[in-house]
Amino acid sequence: GQQVMQIPQYQHVQEGEDFTTYCNSSTTLSNIQWYKQRPGGHPVFLIQLVKSGEVKKQKRLTFQFGEAKKNSSLHITATQTTDVGTYFCAGGGYGGSQGNLIFGKGTKLSVKP
Amino acid sequence: DTGVSQDPRHKITKRGQNVTFRCDPISEHNRLYWYRQTLGQGPEFLTYFQNEAQLEKSRLLSDRFSAERPKGSFSTLEIQRTEQGDSAMYLCASSLYGAQDQYFGPGTRLLVL
Repeated sequence: GQQVMQIPQYQHVQEGEDFTTYCNSSTTLSNIQWYKQRPGGHPVFLIQLVKSGEVKKQKRLTFQFGEAKKNSSLHITATQTTDVGTYFCAGGGYGGSQGNLIFGKGTKLSVKP
Repeated sequence: DTGVSQDPRHKITKRGQNVTFRCDPISEHNRLYWYRQTLGQGPEFLTYFQNEAQLEKSRLLSDRFSAERPKGSFSTLEIQRTEQGDSAMYLCASSLYGAQDQYFGPGTRLLVL
């Protein structure tokens, strides 16, 4: 079946260091979304990428969608303690589905002050 | 608070009992989704509605699970004859038709003893 793999599973960084998480799908996606879940919280939508090769930025966060629309990455520059949480990618549009998002297992980021 | 709300926030039940959870989406959102999340995993899609119509169900969804959205507003998720493996966080999300980004509620944490 469709799978979304995400690496690394955990990342520990010193405050101020950069962080990157990678997402790979077993099949071509119509779109990819990124969510952040704080400890004890629920997933919060960050961004959606739709176009092949698309790059979007949100302040210190940079999101990329691969040319083949099968992989994506999230890069955080100069991490802060407020960046702590689990970052999930979610692939959309499998098999023409309009509602079924396939989530990766997430990358749990911890930031040491 | 105009976000997605879920009730109850926590539920402890004995194996074999039935449980029902409620989700109230953002008022203008016509799509509503149910997910299940276990520790260390990403949300797993269960089912989704557009207005009152249930458009998609996961193949993983046992026939002990049923969801309704009778008036196209709030939704209920019922689990019959609960099993210990049903213990998880049950998340509800909503979105506007045509928009892919989903807004999650705080979840209902279920523990089956």
